[in-house]
Amino acid sequence: DGGITQSPKYLFRKEGQNVTLSCEQNLNHDAMYWYRQDPGQGLRLIYYSQIVNDFQKGDIAEGYSVSREKKESFPLTVTSAQKNPTAFYLCASSPEGGTWTGELFFGEGSRLTVL
Amino acid sequence: AQSVTQLDSHVSVSEGTPVLLRCNYSSSYSPSLFWYVQHPNKGLQLLLKYTSAATLVKGINGFEAEFKKSETSFHLTKPSAHMSDAAEYFCVVSEYLAFSGGYNKLIFGAGTRLAVHP
Repeated sequence: DGGITQSPKYLFRKEGQNVTLSCEQNLNHDAMYWYRQDPGQGLRLIYYSQIVNDFQKGDIAEGYSVSREKKESFPLTVTSAQKNPTAFYLCASSPEGGTWTGELFFGEGSRLTVL
Repeated sequence: AQSVTQLDSHVSVSEGTPVLLRCNYSSSYSPSLFWYVQHPNKGLQLLLKYTSAATLVKGINGFEAEFKKSETSFHLTKPSAHMSDAAEYFCVVSEYLAFSGGYNKLIFGAGTRLAVHP
């Protein structure tokens, strides 16, 4: 089945450690996104990528980094510079371009807890 | 800049009764509007979308929403709630950004948690 796979589902990190969250899609979508979700705040955009080897900062990119070496993959690294990394992270994709209707396809999320 | 406000953070209904989740938006032009649903510890799923066609939009699972430009509202309704409707619902507005080759940015509301009681 086509979809988006995020791993790990749960992750615990000690302060000062970098962690990488995986996001893989087999929908053949051009665009991929990372969102952060905190209780009562909706979703906030961290980074997005419209094409391989290109990505743009979203609203809260500080303390995060991404890469887009393959169309299918868009990993997110939460660095030690991120002040409050405990959150639920969601990866999404869309078929970018003029035909896009605005629908995003989401993975099931990764919950990161900093101890 | 566009924005979206969900007027209730929590809504509680009894099974079989109507559901109303309220959303107001701010936009300088005709927006595209969406409702997404999220079940606990899951990703979001599109319920329905408005993209300047019919103002009454029907979605999945019996939900519908009406775009009212004069009231800048896009409220979500369902005639009869089911236990499986218990989830968090997000109202979303799309903003077109002209830089970087053009990009449709989605702006999410803070969410409304719907509880359904037997």
